[in-house]
Amino acid sequence: EPEVTQTPSHQVTQMGQEVILRCVPISNHLYFYWYRQILGQKVEFLVSFYNNEISEKSEIFDDQFSVERPDGSNFTLKIRSTKLEDSAMYFCASSEKAIYGYTFGSGTRLTVV
Amino acid sequence: AQSVTQLDSHVSVSEGTPVLLRCNYSSSYSPSLFWYVQHPNKGLQLLLKYTSAATLVKGINGFEAEFKKSETSFHLTKPSAHMSDAAEYFCVVSPLTNYGGSQGNLIFGKGTKLSVKP
Repeated sequence: EPEVTQTPSHQVTQMGQEVILRCVPISNHLYFYWYRQILGQKVEFLVSFYNNEISEKSEIFDDQFSVERPDGSNFTLKIRSTKLEDSAMYFCASSEKAIYGYTFGSGTRLTVV
Repeated sequence: AQSVTQLDSHVSVSEGTPVLLRCNYSSSYSPSLFWYVQHPNKGLQLLLKYTSAATLVKGINGFEAEFKKSETSFHLTKPSAHMSDAAEYFCVVSPLTNYGGSQGNLIFGKGTKLSVKP
């Protein structure tokens, strides 16, 4: 069964450093998403991406965040200057069409120290 | 505005007994509704989805959910729990029209942790 692949599975970074979280969506999917889950809290929407541009973003997705699909297969989330409160599990998801359901990756646990 | 309420943060059942995980939603549009499961240190796996076809939806691993518009509920059930069902379950609403309108984001409930006792 097709999978969404996320790397790395766990990343530790120092406060103020830039991080890039990587995702390989399912190949025939057109819609891509990032969600995050702070420990003990709800899964929260960050951003959706379609046709090489952001289609929707939440209040969490401020200027520190950016997304890119650099080569037609990868989908990345960059955090420019990490803060302690960015520590969370970050999930990438893709869908052919949203009513079909999203396929999530297994997540990247980001720890900012 | 759309929202999801999972009424129980933790449910504990014995192996072989029925499972009921409760979910109520609020949506201005005809919602698409999903249940996802998250096993420890794993990603979010889609269990089942409702997209305005049959109100009783069958998913993987013997799970079912019934969409009840009058009660704004989408409770998840399984007739007989297995040890491998122990996980966290998320009820999710997607603020879409049922003809697949805008690609709105998913709104997650807080999750229900299911424990299964031998």
